[in-house]
Amino acid sequence: GAGVSQTPSNKVTEKGKYVELRCDPISGHTALYWYRQSLGQGPEFLIYFQGTGAADDSGLPNDRFFAVRPEGSVSTLKIQRTERGDSAVYLCASSWARTDTQYFGPGTRLTVL
Amino acid sequence: AQSVTQLGSHVSVSEGALVLLRCNYSSSVPPYLFWYVQYPNQGLQLLLKYTSAATLVKGINGFEAEFKKSETSFHLTKPSAHMSDAAEYFCAVSATAAGNKLTFGGGTRVLVKP
Repeated sequence: GAGVSQTPSNKVTEKGKYVELRCDPISGHTALYWYRQSLGQGPEFLIYFQGTGAADDSGLPNDRFFAVRPEGSVSTLKIQRTERGDSAVYLCASSWARTDTQYFGPGTRLTVL
Repeated sequence: AQSVTQLGSHVSVSEGALVLLRCNYSSSVPPYLFWYVQYPNQGLQLLLKYTSAATLVKGINGFEAEFKKSETSFHLTKPSAHMSDAAEYFCAVSATAAGNKLTFGGGTRVLVKP
């Protein structure tokens, strides 16, 4: 079956602009995660959804970052007033609620000029 | 809180030689441990996971890892490297088995020499 998909694969924007990154999880997966991977580092947790609600948003770096999952499937990560330090690969993962395996998408590479 | 340390950001091995990637963790609760592999321009793929059953865990592509509580380690090995093993490998820890965030190490990039 289809895996986790993320769009766009690449996004280039200018400092101060607003961006949205989309994640389509594996069908039926109720848990959805966002991570950020900076160059040369491991992924860092941002936020976790169980269904439509954010169960843990402790990894969001500041209030410029926001994520939604209104129907419990697709999720959008929103970044306001982008900064050059936001440049990274943003990874999405999904899992069944009761298992421990997170399946990752290919990521969106965000570049802020 | 959990943390993961991967010793060696780059490892070079000859084809057919042993692959050994080191991972040490810190956790305030019994951990769940994972190894993921990331090929260029692809998403992370789970190699294997430890969830408090057998301490020696076998994964895909001939990899295995051993959980050693006394050493707080979860090192990844493969007896004989193949060219296709060239990738970046990440160790990760989670506080629970389901529905929780993963804390990743910094990764180890493996180069396989012919």
